[in-house]
Amino acid sequence: QLQLQESGPGLVKPSETLSLTCTVSGVSISSSFYYWGWIRQPPGKGLEWIGSMYYSGSSYYNPSLKSRVTISVDTSKSQFSLKLSFVTAADTALYYCARHIRYCSGGRCGDPPYYFDYWGQGTLVTVSS
Amino acid sequence: EIVLTQSPGTLSLSPGERATLSCRASQSVSSRYLAWYQQKPGQAPRLLIYGASSRATGIPDRFSGSGSGTDFTLTISRLEPEDFAVYYCQQYVSSPFTFGPGTKVDIK
Repeated sequence: QLQLQESGPGLVKPSETLSLTCTVSGVSISSSFYYWGWIRQPPGKGLEWIGSMYYSGSSYYNPSLKSRVTISVDTSKSQFSLKLSFVTAADTALYYCARHIRYCSGGRCGDPPYYFDYWGQGTLVTVSS
Repeated sequence: EIVLTQSPGTLSLSPGERATLSCRASQSVSSRYLAWYQQKPGQAPRLLIYGASSRATGIPDRFSGSGSGTDFTLTISRLEPEDFAVYYCQQYVSSPFTFGPGTKVDIK
């Protein structure tokens, strides 16, 4: 059974770096069929895609956050991580990790990836001094 | 960046009624590159529809998607009590992958 579980500090000070980890179980994080993504949702608001990474390093980032975001994948731990630097109160949100499906046909997969088919429960990160 | 607009913002209906939700894109996303998600309070979004009209695994057939180009529709044929939630569309024709602002379906 596929599970994604976010973990990390729930409180980060302004100007510091937000760090979250998503642990994946029930599927290989090294599968060619998936990217691994982060999406956030400010309280009471809509969804914003942050970025997605393939296990071998290929990545896509939201240009609005790209200068502050790093996503990495650790295949040995079946985890992928998000780092968001120089946070402000505007970065306060529920952060979700999700599996990002690639389109595959005839044994070959293409990019960019498509939709998010499995999500973690989300973790609330508050930016405050 | 492709901007998605959803209407109405809120849809007030009774159980058993039909719900029709709209998603409009600022440029064409073809007929393949649109998904719909359902989000209930305190829960993560759940994939309902991908490729504009294909139901995800385990999604009841009262949910259907249609459309192409810039105009898409999610239809819930007969609302069940568990369908009252917020619905988001998402385009994946190009990065950045964007979501619409959501339509809340609440009980009339």
